[in-house]
Amino acid sequence: TQLLEQSPQFLSIQEGENLTVYCNSSSVFSSLQWYRQEPGEGPVLLVTVVTGGEVKKLKRLTFQFGDARKDSSLHITAAQPGDTGLYLCAGAYGANNLFFGTGTRLTVIP
Amino acid sequence: GAGVSQSPSNKVTEKGKDVELRCDPISGHTALYWYRQSLGQGLEFLIYFQGNSAPDKSGLPSDRFSAERTGGSVSTLTIQRTQQEDSAVYLCASSLQTLGQGGETQYFGPGTRLLVL
Repeated sequence: TQLLEQSPQFLSIQEGENLTVYCNSSSVFSSLQWYRQEPGEGPVLLVTVVTGGEVKKLKRLTFQFGDARKDSSLHITAAQPGDTGLYLCAGAYGANNLFFGTGTRLTVIP
Repeated sequence: GAGVSQSPSNKVTEKGKDVELRCDPISGHTALYWYRQSLGQGLEFLIYFQGNSAPDKSGLPSDRFSAERTGGSVSTLTIQRTQQEDSAVYLCASSLQTLGQGGETQYFGPGTRLLVL
């Protein structure tokens, strides 16, 4: 079983603060994806990281893939209420397997 | 349509009844995936289709669960003799190709919320 653990599980912060969400596993993944899911909707892909050590930036979001391709982090700068949602990491393993993490529920308070 | 659609959006059923959930993928997407999401949790992989065939059924929780895909398009997930622990959101996703072929972006539908009383 490929287990992806995310931390923290819940996070409530004030608008303007910075935060980091972690996604850790003992397994190596060929790529890792981050999704955001809002209530009543399916997850929406934010980014895919493929190379160990890779860093990708999407506006105020910075994603990093660990050197060993076992872990990843998502850093949000100056969080906004619109960032509120469930953040999911997912590791790709093999031809068709995508294992999802346990999720981090972020609430940004105005 | 422009995105993945699922029906019904909500389903309430009694324990022991059968239910059928439908997924319409994005036109042209050869890969289709079914996941289950318990309240506020991550996604549990159930099954995926490449075309009409399902190479990996290992995620199906029991033999009460089955899925089919016809014409390389619409897929149905059937749960027979539903149990209360089947209550969850069932999400469908499609992608241009399966993960290993480079078309890795999965586009998700809004899900079907199933409640078994």
